[in-house]
Amino acid sequence: GAGVSQSPRYKVAKRGQDVALRCDPISGHVSLFWYQQALGQGPEFLTYFQNEAQLDKSGLPSDRFFAERPEGSVSTLKIQRTQQEDSAVYLCASILLAEGEQFFGPGTRLTVL
Amino acid sequence: AQRVTQPEKLLSVFKGAPVELKCNYSYSGSPELFWYVQYSRQRLQLLLRHISRESIKGFTADLNKGETSFHLKKPFAQEEDSAMYYCALSGETGNQFYFGTGTSLTVIP
Repeated sequence: GAGVSQSPRYKVAKRGQDVALRCDPISGHVSLFWYQQALGQGPEFLTYFQNEAQLDKSGLPSDRFFAERPEGSVSTLKIQRTQQEDSAVYLCASILLAEGEQFFGPGTRLTVL
Repeated sequence: AQRVTQPEKLLSVFKGAPVELKCNYSYSGSPELFWYVQYSRQRLQLLLRHISRESIKGFTADLNKGETSFHLKKPFAQEEDSAMYYCALSGETGNQFYFGTGTSLTVIP
């Protein structure tokens, strides 16, 4: 079957715009992570879902960041009033159960001008 | 707080030479440690995890709780090992996951 997909692959936004990034996990995968990866850095944890429940959002850098997974499958990461420091690759990963191998998507590269 | 430290940003070794990528961690409790790899133009993927104690593509990693280290080793590097390697840690609840800054390994032919 298909792996984790993310859309769009590239997004350019003007400072102050709102953006929405989509993640389609592998079908049946219970757990889902979002990460932010700045240039030259490792992925930084943002938030974690188990089914539709957001069990941890301690990594979200500000209240401009919001994530949801309403039906326990597709997830959306929304960033309001984007700032230049939000420019990064946003990675999504899904896991079959609560623990196990994370399967990563290709990422969405966000550039805020 | 920096939970996973990879001191080497870049590492170059000759083909056939041993390679060791260093990883140190700080975490109170019993974390689970992983190595993830990203080959050129590919997605991040799991290489190995400490609980499975497997050797993958000739790589091994031993969790040393006394030194809080999880170094990745391979006795004879191959050109196809050239990639970005990330050490990662999962807390006991599994709700959080922390990556190091990564080490770019280049194997010189």
